Amino acid sequence: DAGVIQSPRHEVTEMGQEVTLRCKPISGHDYLFWYRQTMMRGLELLIYFNNNVPIDDSGMPEDRFSAKMPNASFSTLKIQPSEPRDSAVYFCASSLNSVGGSQPQHFGDGTRLSIL
Amino acid sequence: GEDVEQSLFLSVREGDSSVINCTYTDSSSTYLYWYKQEPGAGLQLLTYIFSNMDMKQDQRLTVLLNKKDKHLSLRIADTQTGDSAIYFCAAYSSASKIIFGSGTRLSIRP
Repeated sequence: DAGVIQSPRHEVTEMGQEVTLRCKPISGHDYLFWYRQTMMRGLELLIYFNNNVPIDDSGMPEDRFSAKMPNASFSTLKIQPSEPRDSAVYFCASSLNSVGGSQPQHFGDGTRLSIL
Repeated sequence: GEDVEQSLFLSVREGDSSVINCTYTDSSSTYLYWYKQEPGAGLQLLTYIFSNMDMKQDQRLTVLLNKKDKHLSLRIADTQTGDSAIYFCAAYSSASKIIFGSGTRLSIRP
């Protein structure tokens, strides 16, 4: 039973470059979430989708960040251009039927992003 | 806005019980969760409790909920070295969001 799959696991790139993070949710889950985790700010919700449609992107820090979900089994989070302050661990999570409730969110192992 | 607060660190001796505490502000939170994060991994759901319950037990884990004080705790009995991790408390808020605490880092002393 595959969980949420994220790629790459680690990404190191120079500032100004475009970064694309990928996520495959659990099959059948219709909610997908992108989070960012840093020491200073903890775990922050960036955006979430329901049935491939973005519902709440109020956590996206600025226009350099964009997220898409072209189909039920794939989502991307893109940063262009990247900056050193974007360095963090980015998590994707998915859930069945709801943001929360008795169907909790299941997390991937994250992408550790370092912008030099 | 809604908030969830936890202490940052807890150190216990192997074999003792660990108690991790959490407070939340949204009194209409219906579900409260405990997640565990091991180094280099994502958050793993440990257990959750519905707001009409005041206790839930699952093997070595006991969750206590005090709705009046908006206080949640996670007790781990017979703490083992494998329990070393960061534990996150989270609340499903009335705004249809899950609000996470900052996490409590549990370390185990021999």
